[in-house]
Amino acid sequence: GDSVTQMEGPVTLSEEAFLTINCTYTATGYPSLFWYVQYPGEGLQLLLKATKADDKGSNKGFEATYRKETTSFHLEKGSVQVSDSAVYFCALSPGGSQGNLIFGKGTKLSVKP
Amino acid sequence: DAGVIQSPRHEVTEMGQEVTLRCKPISGHNSLFWYRQTMMRGLELLIYFNNNVPIDDSGMPEDRFSAKMPNASFSTLKIQPSEPRDSAVYFCASSLWTGGAVMNTEAFFGQGTRLTVV
Repeated sequence: GDSVTQMEGPVTLSEEAFLTINCTYTATGYPSLFWYVQYPGEGLQLLLKATKADDKGSNKGFEATYRKETTSFHLEKGSVQVSDSAVYFCALSPGGSQGNLIFGKGTKLSVKP
Repeated sequence: DAGVIQSPRHEVTEMGQEVTLRCKPISGHNSLFWYRQTMMRGLELLIYFNNNVPIDDSGMPEDRFSAKMPNASFSTLKIQPSEPRDSAVYFCASSLWTGGAVMNTEAFFGQGTRLTVV
């Protein structure tokens, strides 16, 4: 079945460092891809999304590009801030589905001042 | 809109007791999802509804779990009897599905119910 694999955490960075969180997927058809962020004690919030190959999603300085040839959707940010500390989830919605999401295990990011 | 509202936020119960988790989706949304989050298994989709009809319950772990959506503004997830391994954070999410093969609408999550079964 469809699945998402993302890099194990935790990831610890200094403020203003470059961030990459790898995400690859397995899916039949044409899924939509998402990154969600979860702050402590809260639910998940959509960070960015891409619905077709070569689309780039971006928000709050974060970017991810839908790469069909490598089945990847890596999350990047050029300069992280302490406020970016959270757990990041890569997810896919299978093509033709009604919005159900399949999540990766999550990557905890800690940014130190 | 107040967003997706879940209650209670925390629930502690004894093994064998019945537990009911509640969810109010965002008004106007027609899809509702129940997820379970644990350290070991991450986020798992338990069941989802579209227009109040259960579409896929293949993620419901056992017959002890049941979910209902009697109307567009309310859903429940019930565990009877509860067991310690059911301890987890349960999230409800809703979205507006407008048809078509591409999912480009956002799923909005509630703050979750942290369930502890002792």
